[in-house]
Amino acid sequence: EPEVTQTPSHQVTQMGQEVILRCVPISNHLYFYWYRQILGQKVEFLVSFYNNEISEKSEIFDDQFSVERPDGSNFTLKIRSTKLEDSAMYFCASSGGGGGQETQYFGPGTRLLVL
Amino acid sequence: AQKITQTQPGMFVQEKEAVTLDCTYDTSDPSYGLFWYKQPSSGEMIFLIYQGSYDQQNATEGRYSLNFQKARKSANLVISASQLGDSAMYFCAMKKSSGDKLTFGTGTRLAVRP
Repeated sequence: EPEVTQTPSHQVTQMGQEVILRCVPISNHLYFYWYRQILGQKVEFLVSFYNNEISEKSEIFDDQFSVERPDGSNFTLKIRSTKLEDSAMYFCASSGGGGGQETQYFGPGTRLLVL
Repeated sequence: AQKITQTQPGMFVQEKEAVTLDCTYDTSDPSYGLFWYKQPSSGEMIFLIYQGSYDQQNATEGRYSLNFQKARKSANLVISASQLGDSAMYFCAMKKSSGDKLTFGTGTRLAVRP
């Protein structure tokens, strides 16, 4: 069964460093998303991506964040200069875009710790 | 704006019994979808069940069913014959349309007692 994959599973970084989180969405999906979940809190939307451009972003997704789909399979989230408060689980998700209320399938997440 | 409310931070259920996890929502959109996800201690988000706003019948997926009451804006998850492996965090979520973001509730932590 097709699934969303994410790498790395865990990342520890120093404050101010750049990190790139990688995702491979389900191959025939058209919509891609990043969410984050700070420990013990609810899942928050960061950004959605369709047709090679951002379709919506939240207030959290400021100039320190960027997304890219560099080839036909990968979808990346870059944080340019990490802050302590960026420590969270980051989830990538994808959906089919076939019309109607299609389901978003989530990857296993990348747990980011900023020291 | 859409809002999801889950008022039960934690629930216990005895193994093999049924349990209902509450979810209410608020939206002004006539068309929307409601979802439940399970998050075990390992952290991944597992899709369980979906209900469309125009669906006439309540959704069912194996031991999961969704008690959809549109007038009351509620979409409660019912898990029948609970198993130890059902112990996890459960999130209710909604979105407007194709490609739209999911808005999540705060979750309910379910513990199944042997």
